[in-house]
Amino acid sequence: AQSVTQLDSHVSVSEGTPVLLRCNYSSSYSPSLFWYVQHPNKGLQLLLKYTSAATLVKGINGFEAEFKKSETSFHLTKPSAHMSDAAEYFCVVSVFPPTSGTYKYIFGTGTRLKVLA
Amino acid sequence: KAGVTQTPRYLIKTRGQQVTLSCSPISGHRSVSWYQQTPGQGLQFLFEYFSETQRNKGNFPGRFSGRQFSNSRSEMNVSTLELGDSALYLCASSLMRETEQFFGPGTRLTVL
Repeated sequence: AQSVTQLDSHVSVSEGTPVLLRCNYSSSYSPSLFWYVQHPNKGLQLLLKYTSAATLVKGINGFEAEFKKSETSFHLTKPSAHMSDAAEYFCVVSVFPPTSGTYKYIFGTGTRLKVLA
Repeated sequence: KAGVTQTPRYLIKTRGQQVTLSCSPISGHRSVSWYQQTPGQGLQFLFEYFSETQRNKGNFPGRFSGRQFSNSRSEMNVSTLELGDSALYLCASSLMRETEQFFGPGTRLTVL
């Protein structure tokens, strides 16, 4: 079975300090992995994606994530938090189980990032 | 390139009514998916359409239905509205079924 676990439901950081949002996945098939951000009352915006190319993926707004197959992790990082980064972040796994014959796009439960002045 | 658009942005309905939500994907995108987002349940997958055919369906009652037109635009319909249907309904489009999804701003539905 496929699943995504976001290890922290809430993370608080001070402005200017590093951000780490943790995501672990479980998949029997080669996954594609994504991070999305959602600001209040807005839709989801794609931050970055991993699709079996380079394991270190750079995204928008200074975010990056590293795919670690041995740890089944895809943690999101940013060197220095900004007030505008306060939002909810979703880790997503996309797989194509041959037995189901269809794609599955599996969302984590989200991590709410708070940035303190 | 214009993003995914959803109309209307806000809706207020009463129990028992029906509602239709519309989604226009990014030009050239052929796959459209719908999600329901609530504080209690988070993001839940409703259904996916590709080339006018429903390819995947989540665990929602038959009151929730959708369709896709030949220009890839999609509509979602909810009949006999219940209070629990109050939610943000998000539409996402992708170029192909396996590529990343791009989301619209959502339609906020309130059922009174």
